[in-house]
Amino acid sequence: QKEVEQNSGPLSVPEGAIASLNCTYSDRGSQSFFWYRQYSGKSPELIMSIYSNGDKEDGRFTAQLNKASQYVSLLIRDSQPSDSATYLCAVNNDTGFQKLVFGTGTRLLVSP
Amino acid sequence: SQTIHQWPATLVQPVGSPLSLECTVEGTSNPNLYWYRQAAGRGLQLLFYSVGIGQISSEVPQNLSASRPQDRQFILSSKKLLLSDSGFYLCAWSARTGPRNSPLHFGNGTRLTVT
Repeated sequence: QKEVEQNSGPLSVPEGAIASLNCTYSDRGSQSFFWYRQYSGKSPELIMSIYSNGDKEDGRFTAQLNKASQYVSLLIRDSQPSDSATYLCAVNNDTGFQKLVFGTGTRLLVSP
Repeated sequence: SQTIHQWPATLVQPVGSPLSLECTVEGTSNPNLYWYRQAAGRGLQLLFYSVGIGQISSEVPQNLSASRPQDRQFILSSKKLLLSDSGFYLCAWSARTGPRNSPLHFGNGTRLTVT
């Protein structure tokens, strides 16, 4: 069974700090990796996608992928209280459909 | 730009009643469409996906069904709701072309409470 594991948290960081969110996956065939942000009561919103080993930066967000270790992470620099949300990791094995497997999410709390 | 509309936003239904949730996508052609459910304290679970009109694949056996009567319309239905059907239902779309899977984009969701 394909699984995506995340620490449920909450992860608490002070405003301005770097938040580091981690995710591991079990299917070595996974090729596409995504991070979604979900505010309480709202639908998930795409933050980052990453397909190759290494780092991908977009503004304050950096996604890191290590396929050998089956590990993907999300770094949020200069964390803001508005970043407080649940972050969902999702993976797919590039079958042509987005049959994403989601983790249960890590709750991030950024304190002013 | 592409937009996805989902309604209603909230719904309270008694056990045994029927269900119909609708989703429409605008600004794109031939999208892949998906229905996910997020139960309280649990991850997102893929229920159905569709690659075209009338083409539905089910991921989880249950008393729900899906239909795609038009290219941009996806409907989730049930003849008789169970208590366990309560949850946050999310419609999503993705583009069909490209060397990599395009990301999923979610609608605003329907929060269903079965009483």
